[in-house]
Amino acid sequence: DAKTTQPPSMDCAEGRAANLPCNHSTISGNEYVYWYRQIHSQGPQYIIHGLKNNETNEMASLIITEDRKSSTLILPHATLRDTAVYYCIVRVNNNDMRFGAGTRLTVKP
Amino acid sequence: DTGVSQDPRHKITKRGQNVTFRCDPISEHNRLYWYRQTLGQGPEFLTYFQNEAQLEKSRLLSDRFSAERPKGSFSTLEIQRTEQGDSAMYLCASSPRTGGNTEAFFGQGTRLTVV
Repeated sequence: DAKTTQPPSMDCAEGRAANLPCNHSTISGNEYVYWYRQIHSQGPQYIIHGLKNNETNEMASLIITEDRKSSTLILPHATLRDTAVYYCIVRVNNNDMRFGAGTRLTVKP
Repeated sequence: DTGVSQDPRHKITKRGQNVTFRCDPISEHNRLYWYRQTLGQGPEFLTYFQNEAQLEKSRLLSDRFSAERPKGSFSTLEIQRTEQGDSAMYLCASSPRTGGNTEAFFGQGTRLTVV
């Protein structure tokens, strides 16, 4: 079963930052937080992952709280092509990933 | 290498028939995963391999399902005596190495329709 909880849906205006929250209150010390997204009819796409420090790459930023019980994925300037389902997953040592239902992000013009 | 490749992309079969899907991971990826996804749901874990060894199987993987990775490269997922409830997208993913924490790369999936 998934070890994360996410809001089922969110809207964001094009060009604004999209902040997607995730709760993982039972995360273990060696589990990483991963984010994927899935655009309709495609396979999930990796976005970013982290352990306890904040991470940034060309797609997004990941902010993990100090107690590691929650995190936020930030898309700094959302575009219409960022409309997708976003999944937050906890995982260790390249073991299997357990997906929840994710957050359906709709970016509106 | 262009990524994880799955074949076929679409499969329509009659109930009771057997089907087999193939997944070619990114070369030199030790780990290979199979997932199933139904409409409106997140991907559900089925099984994963480390090289040719099948390390874990989900309870979703009934005795009608079997997966192999005979030489630690490509993998096949077979469903015997298909049922309408097997209709879903079957996703394959691979990870670069065992140990550590690296991203898994997904293929585009095989969409199965059982009629």
